[in-house]
Amino acid sequence: QVQLQESGPGLVKPSETLSLTCTISGDSVTSSGVYWGWVRQPPGKGLEWIGYIFYTGSTSYNPSLKGRVSISSDTSKNSFSLHLTSVTAADSAVYYCTRSTLSMARGLIGDYFDFWGQGSLVTVSS
Amino acid sequence: SYVLTQPPSVSVAPGQTATITCEGDDIGRKTVHWYQQEAGQAPVLVIYNDDKRPSGIPERVSGSNSGNTATLTINRVEAGDEADYYCQVWDSSRDHRVFGGGTKLTVL
Repeated sequence: QVQLQESGPGLVKPSETLSLTCTISGDSVTSSGVYWGWVRQPPGKGLEWIGYIFYTGSTSYNPSLKGRVSISSDTSKNSFSLHLTSVTAADSAVYYCTRSTLSMARGLIGDYFDFWGQGSLVTVSS
Repeated sequence: SYVLTQPPSVSVAPGQTATITCEGDDIGRKTVHWYQQEAGQAPVLVIYNDDKRPSGIPERVSGSNSGNTATLTINRVEAGDEADYYCQVWDSSRDHRVFGGGTKLTVL
């Protein structure tokens, strides 16, 4: 069974960088056909996709984050990390690390989030 | 960017059928996935690829997708089904993932 565990500071000051790490057990960050990524949820609001890193090392990010985000992986620690720069109070949220699996149905390619971490609450405040 | 629209709330009596819609431009040409999020918990996948159930999800939960609307149906609703539900697709033109705004299911 795949398990994901987020770790990192729960409090970040405005204008600083938010950094979180997700440690994987039961799978590998180099598994083929798998995306490792992040989703966040501001208090009382819906889910927002942040981005992913593919097993090939390619990445994709939500354009709403305007170039402030990067995701990297560490094969030696079987983990991947999120970095979000120049944070403001609007970045306060529960951050979930996720695994999504590439799939094909009706001739259409897609992927779905089949495993989620428990979530890590990050508050941006001075 | 691609937009998914869900009703903010749906209410249903126990034993009845809950229907939650997810509207998007030509969504029938994408595969749709659904997640259940109970209060204070991480989301859980309940339907993938329009109508497939992961192991452990009861048969009374089903999905469909055609035209501009995807639908999550929960038959014989129970109190334990009360949660927020989100639809999700892959916007292949931009390689982005998109979530609907979520629907709060209330069991009366």
